Amino acid sequence: QKEVEQNSGPLSVPEGAIASLNCTYSDRGSQSFFWYRQYSGKSPELIMSIYSNGDKEDGRFTAQLNKASQYVSLLIRDSQPSDSATYLCAVKDSSASKIIFGSGTRLSIRP
Amino acid sequence: DAGVIQSPRHEVTEMGQEVTLRCKPISGHDYLFWYRQTMMRGLELLIYFNNNVPIDDSGMPEDRFSAKMPNASFSTLKIQPSEPRDSAVYFCASSFSGVNQPQHFGDGTRLSIL
Repeated sequence: QKEVEQNSGPLSVPEGAIASLNCTYSDRGSQSFFWYRQYSGKSPELIMSIYSNGDKEDGRFTAQLNKASQYVSLLIRDSQPSDSATYLCAVKDSSASKIIFGSGTRLSIRP
Repeated sequence: DAGVIQSPRHEVTEMGQEVTLRCKPISGHDYLFWYRQTMMRGLELLIYFNNNVPIDDSGMPEDRFSAKMPNASFSTLKIQPSEPRDSAVYFCASSFSGVNQPQHFGDGTRLSIL
């Protein structure tokens, strides 16, 4: 059974600080990794994708990938109250055309 | 561009009734996925299609659940008979083929079985 593990939280971060969200995965052959944001009562929304080892930056968001350690992370700089949501780590299955989702980390940004 | 469109947005029905959920994928996407989300179990993949053909239905919980995709722009998920434990949010998602292609989700159907 291929798995994606995340700390469920809640992770509480003060406004303006850096929020760090982490994820590990079991499928060593995975090549594609995604972060989705889900507000309460809404659907998952893609915010970042990463395919190569290292960092990928998009605005206040930075995704980090380490395939050797099977580890993906998402950093949110200058956290805003609007960043409060559940963040889902998602990993493309290496042997099937589907994505395996983690259970999500609930992030709360306190003013 | 229109995203994934699901209907209805909310459905409340009594136990034993048939429920049909509908999905229109993004035009041109050749993969379609049905998910169920609950607090206890998170986001679960039920079934997915490629070019209208079911590829993996191992996540379908039992024979009461069935899904069809008669053409590239329409899919249904049916529950018959429905039970209270089927209450959840059901999402449809679609994507292009390709290892780097993400999935795009519809707004979901919130299903309550009384």
